[in-house]
Amino acid sequence: ETGVTQTPRHLVMGMTNKKSLKCEQHLGHNAMYWYKQSAKKPLELMFVYNFKEQTENNSVPSRFSPECPNSSHLFLHLHTLQPEDSALYLCASSQQTGYTDTQYFGPGTRLTVL
Amino acid sequence: SQQGEEDPQALSIQEGENATMNCSYKTSINNLQWYRQNSGRGLVHLILIRSNEREKHSGRLRVTLDTSKKSSSLLITASRAADTASYFCATDEPRQLTFGSGTQLTVLP
Repeated sequence: ETGVTQTPRHLVMGMTNKKSLKCEQHLGHNAMYWYKQSAKKPLELMFVYNFKEQTENNSVPSRFSPECPNSSHLFLHLHTLQPEDSALYLCASSQQTGYTDTQYFGPGTRLTVL
Repeated sequence: SQQGEEDPQALSIQEGENATMNCSYKTSINNLQWYRQNSGRGLVHLILIRSNEREKHSGRLRVTLDTSKKSSSLLITASRAADTASYFCATDEPRQLTFGSGTQLTVLP
């Protein structure tokens, strides 16, 4: 276990549904991240939060809405998704957002959009 | 743009053999990290090498970094079936970790 948990582990949703992914870290870290991993593509950074403030948004469509209520919790709210949004969504945390910091990943949520 | 790129994309070896994976990147870096991912799971950090280091060891892992060639290699010695996974390099430019597409390593028992 890396100290980062994600729920649910699997999610199937229709294009009109609204759902949320949850991430929790028990490491006392200050930075949290959302990544998208699609088959045969590099890991894509979506959002970065540092001390609860969003510091990066890598041109992610507005149908993905992140929320970071505190340094330990991170949510990704989903609405009106497209089938191409089907992927493994990974959450990670690190002590800071500095480039020397190791990131600790959760097990991911496998999302399927029908 | 994508920073790190692993080579080969897939590698299959027998248990006990050594496995070597390479990573090339485009711009200057401060450090380079290697991560491992078991199928359908999250990534696990293996090792970090700084730009002023040339070689680093951790157990059966050996990482080299050649900043003049903008490349790094990960060597796993005496491989085991449990080493079967995808391996990713990650570089720290521009202000975030940028991952490559990974090398899928299969170790046959």
